[in-house]
Amino acid sequence: AQSVAQPEDQVNVAEGNPLTVKCTYSVSGNPYLFWYVQYPNRGLQFLLKYITGDNLVKGSYGFEAEFNKSQTSFHLKKPSALVSDSALYFCAVYYGGSQGNLIFGKGTKLSVKP
Amino acid sequence: NAGVTQTPKFQVLKTGQSMTLQCAQDMNHEYMSWYRQDPGMGLRLIHYSVGAGITDQGEVPNGYNVSRSTTEDFPLRLLSAAPSQTSVYFCASRVAGTAYSNQPQHFGDGTRLSIL
Repeated sequence: AQSVAQPEDQVNVAEGNPLTVKCTYSVSGNPYLFWYVQYPNRGLQFLLKYITGDNLVKGSYGFEAEFNKSQTSFHLKKPSALVSDSALYFCAVYYGGSQGNLIFGKGTKLSVKP
Repeated sequence: NAGVTQTPKFQVLKTGQSMTLQCAQDMNHEYMSWYRQDPGMGLRLIHYSVGAGITDQGEVPNGYNVSRSTTEDFPLRLLSAAPSQTSVYFCASRVAGTAYSNQPQHFGDGTRLSIL
């Protein structure tokens, strides 16, 4: 069965430090992987995706993610965290043939302190 | 650009009442979906549609109905609300088709529903 795991409920980082939000997946075939961010009282916003090609994917707001097929991981990273990065982050994997449904992880709350 | 619009933003219901959550998008997207978000559980798919007149069940469809009479609108109906349906509901849309399955979904800002 297809699944996505985000092993950390919360990640705490000091402003200016690098951040990593972890995601592992289980999917048959080649995965389509996504990261979304959710700010308080808002819907999810797309950050980046991996479809094929370069394992390092760059996205919005300075975020990037590294696809690792052998470890079935797709960790979200940023070299220097900002307080404004504090939000809920969701990893998701596509499944389902032509209908394209997403399975979401449970989310990781990122807290960046000044 | 309006994108995906959900109404109402907040709603309180009593057990057994019915209501319809509205969702409209102005991007001409064929694919639309409804999710519920509960603490510690991420987003779970309720129902989805790949075009007008076509709907299908997701992971947690029980207690919810949908219809898709137009490309723009995808309402979610609770026929007899239960406290277990207290949640935040999100509607999302994207272009449909296998060639577009790598396209991100666009989300509304949600409806916060409380059932007493």
